[in-house]
Amino acid sequence: QQQVKQSPQSLIVQKGGISIINCAYENTAFDYFPWYQQFPGKGPALLIAIRPDVSEKKEGRFTISFNKSAKQFSLHIMDSQPGDSATYFCAANFNTGKLIFGQGTTLQVKP
Amino acid sequence: DVKVTQSSRYLVKRTGEKVFLECVQDMDHENMFWYRQDPGLGLRLIYFSYDVKMKEKGDIPEGYSVSREKKERFSLILESASTNQTSMYLCASSPLGQGDSPLHFGNGTRLTVT
Repeated sequence: QQQVKQSPQSLIVQKGGISIINCAYENTAFDYFPWYQQFPGKGPALLIAIRPDVSEKKEGRFTISFNKSAKQFSLHIMDSQPGDSATYFCAANFNTGKLIFGQGTTLQVKP
Repeated sequence: DVKVTQSSRYLVKRTGEKVFLECVQDMDHENMFWYRQDPGLGLRLIYFSYDVKMKEKGDIPEGYSVSREKKERFSLILESASTNQTSMYLCASSPLGQGDSPLHFGNGTRLTVT
């Protein structure tokens, strides 16, 4: 019930392409869905987040799409750049500050 | 800028040793967390604390304990280290809020138990 399932585990995209990472959850009590970005040797950092009352949120080249009925959400990275190469984690919580993280996706953007 | 500092970047310990991982944050955050990161498993919550001397178990507390004597410091203790505790350990903090306060992570401690 508290799991967040993330796919794919790894992703290789050409520079300029679109990177798409998907997450699914079961617990309908979740009400906050952030994405974290982690570079090698660093801790994760908040990238973008969404609440279930909206279906999409865009910040620059990063967009979260949210499908409440399907209990799925995804991160889209438009015009992917080599500097976007990192590990991405989706997460969810229910108003407690305690995040449940997905399994992570390692993105490599080839020049 | 929030800074979460973990005392060691790398640690090598022997099976059965008692291990202390230290974390300090400088932003007066109420919440502090210890996560464990393993490939393919993501980040799993070990323990968290909403206040001084207060702690709650996360999803994988077995074999671990924590201490929070001061607001800025949250320690993770491995009572008797085992090889299956070899992992990356991440500390995080966040302000008391309604669940949407971002977590600020340290850079992690990579622990190897031999």
